[in-house]
Amino acid sequence: DVVMTQSPLSLPVTLGQPASISCRSSQSLVFSDGNTYLTWFQQRPGQSPRRLIYQVSNRDSGVPDRFSGSGSGTDFTLKISRVEADDVGVYYCVQLTHWPPYTFGQGTKLEIK
Amino acid sequence: EVQLVESGGGLVKPGGSLRLSCAASGFILSNDWMIWVRQAPGKGLEWVARIKRKTDGGTTDYAAPVKDRFTISRDDSKNTLYLEMSSLKTEDTAVYYCTTMGSMWGQGILVTVSS
Repeated sequence: DVVMTQSPLSLPVTLGQPASISCRSSQSLVFSDGNTYLTWFQQRPGQSPRRLIYQVSNRDSGVPDRFSGSGSGTDFTLKISRVEADDVGVYYCVQLTHWPPYTFGQGTKLEIK
Repeated sequence: EVQLVESGGGLVKPGGSLRLSCAASGFILSNDWMIWVRQAPGKGLEWVARIKRKTDGGTTDYAAPVKDRFTISRDDSKNTLYLEMSSLKTEDTAVYYCTTMGSMWGQGILVTVSS
């Protein structure tokens, strides 16, 4: 199974400051069709997960452009250019390339300092 | 409104069974591969099972911890996804979400396995 490793697991950030979350996979996430199926979800307290980014860098409709995804192969990053109070929650990366199983990272808890 | 709504959760004793349902509205479930994901209290997300759409064979896959105990199925005529859970263990206690693993997620339903 592909192991997804996120860091940090806890991320205290000052409002207005940038934030960055790393996600590394134990093997390349490039699929046979040439696409890389790495997705980022946000889970606010008490809510269902919400997809932010799919295929590494494609932002979902309605997601602020403060959020961006990048990376390739086994190393991926989610960046928030300026953290707002609404961004508090847990962020998960998940690989959809090698299945079964789909595998999630452990989650990164973003909080406001 | 486009939504997925889970039902059927609750308290069950170890060794018992439960069937979860996920009703889709404003969304044609037959067009998508459908997935169950769970989240144990205070823990992260865990993929449970997936069923492909019928045009892709309708085949199923399961996470190792639930294989041979859980069965995922779909009734496209009812626009509904199911998860039949048997031989339940305390470690199956979690909120269960149905999802496309994309933009569509249900609100989640709590399953508690306890004596």
